[in-house]
Amino acid sequence: KQEVTQIPAALSVPEGENLVLNCSFTDSAIYNLQWFRQDPGKGLTSLLLIQSSQREQTSGRLNASLDKSSGRSTLYIAASQPGDSATYLCAAGGNYGQNFVFGPGTRLSVLP
Amino acid sequence: GAVVSQHPSRVICKSGTSVKIECRSLDFQATTMFWYRQFPKQSLMLMATSNEGSKATYEQGVEKDKFLINHASLTLSTLTVTSAHPEDSSFYICSASRGNVLTFGAGSRLTVL
Repeated sequence: KQEVTQIPAALSVPEGENLVLNCSFTDSAIYNLQWFRQDPGKGLTSLLLIQSSQREQTSGRLNASLDKSSGRSTLYIAASQPGDSATYLCAAGGNYGQNFVFGPGTRLSVLP
Repeated sequence: GAVVSQHPSRVICKSGTSVKIECRSLDFQATTMFWYRQFPKQSLMLMATSNEGSKATYEQGVEKDKFLINHASLTLSTLTVTSAHPEDSSFYICSASRGNVLTFGAGSRLTVL
């Protein structure tokens, strides 16, 4: 059974810092890995989707990498801003959305 | 891009009543939809997989008689929380599968008084 963990559970950084969020999964037979952002009391915003054949994806100040063999993904946020404060969730996905398992999330606070 | 609409976004009901939440794929057909539940300060947990035209598959520990799922068309799945109680208060999110990509709805916050 797939298990997804995220480190750290919470992170507080000053504005402008570059930071890395970590995601680990136990079953490397995934079809994709997705990073989401969730603001308090809100739904999910998809940030980046990495297919199993890809190594990384980039969108603006965000870069996500995937290493299937080691069961790891990282989300890199450059030049963090207070507006980046949210909970970041990673999720490992199986075929056609099956076995889509979420990690517990990293709660990020970017201080002005 | 693929869009999934979820309605209502918020609902407050009295204990013992039933509540229906709709999940619609607006611009694509989804043979499979998924329902998740999120308790405060916890991550999302899969409740059930909804397949168009067939019975839903429930995860272990989820009461199928309490959480009724109907996937009557390729664009609509509904979750009905029957005889809701305060412990059912939670954030419910649906997603629709388009190939290997899941698109999520905005979620529905249920508060049972």
